[in-house]
Amino acid sequence: QKEVEQNSGPLSVPEGAIASLNCTYSDRGSQSFFWYRQYSGKSPELIMFIYSNGDKEDGRFTAQLNKASQYVSLLIRDSQPSDSATYLCAVTLSGSARQLTFGSGTQLTVLP
Amino acid sequence: KAGVTQTPRYLIKTRGQQVTLSCSPISGHRSVSWYQQTPGQGLQFLFEYFSETQRNKGNFPGRFSGRQFSNSRSEMNVSTLELGDSALYLCASSPGTEETQYFGPGTRLLVL
Repeated sequence: QKEVEQNSGPLSVPEGAIASLNCTYSDRGSQSFFWYRQYSGKSPELIMFIYSNGDKEDGRFTAQLNKASQYVSLLIRDSQPSDSATYLCAVTLSGSARQLTFGSGTQLTVLP
Repeated sequence: KAGVTQTPRYLIKTRGQQVTLSCSPISGHRSVSWYQQTPGQGLQFLFEYFSETQRNKGNFPGRFSGRQFSNSRSEMNVSTLELGDSALYLCASSPGTEETQYFGPGTRLLVL
């Protein structure tokens, strides 16, 4: 079992819709969770981080964390074509602070 | 603040050679982490330096090494290059007291 798993996609949504990206992790002791966006040929860009159970909102982005289910998600409201990218979920595993373990990423395409 | 800078941006080497990559973190950040990104393995953690000391190390062979200078700039060295070392090498900067990491543009290494 991979430590951090994401659906590789591709995920396609129409412009203006809500895109939902999911991530599960195997280490129950994980404490910190991050979402990065990576455009083709570019480096990852931090979108959000979340440490506590529940929702965290930042503009059109909402991160949701459920530690009991070992599940973290990212919702993108009012999706735009410029949101088309690969979204990477990253987790700091217990005993490995400051070492990010990444999922394989979900490729999102927002259709005009 | 200026972001993370990495040099060179592109590099072509042949098998058996060695290579040194450089990273300058965001001003005031004391932690520098290095990651390797390949299509097959995704983003994998190499090592992390804080105040000139290696704090964490990933599961890579000893051919991969690094160091950090007193001004927080970091270098990564790969000796005896193999074809499989072709990858995007990413440096990430963090204040050091928290886990949020910000990536540089990366160095794309091609080994022929």
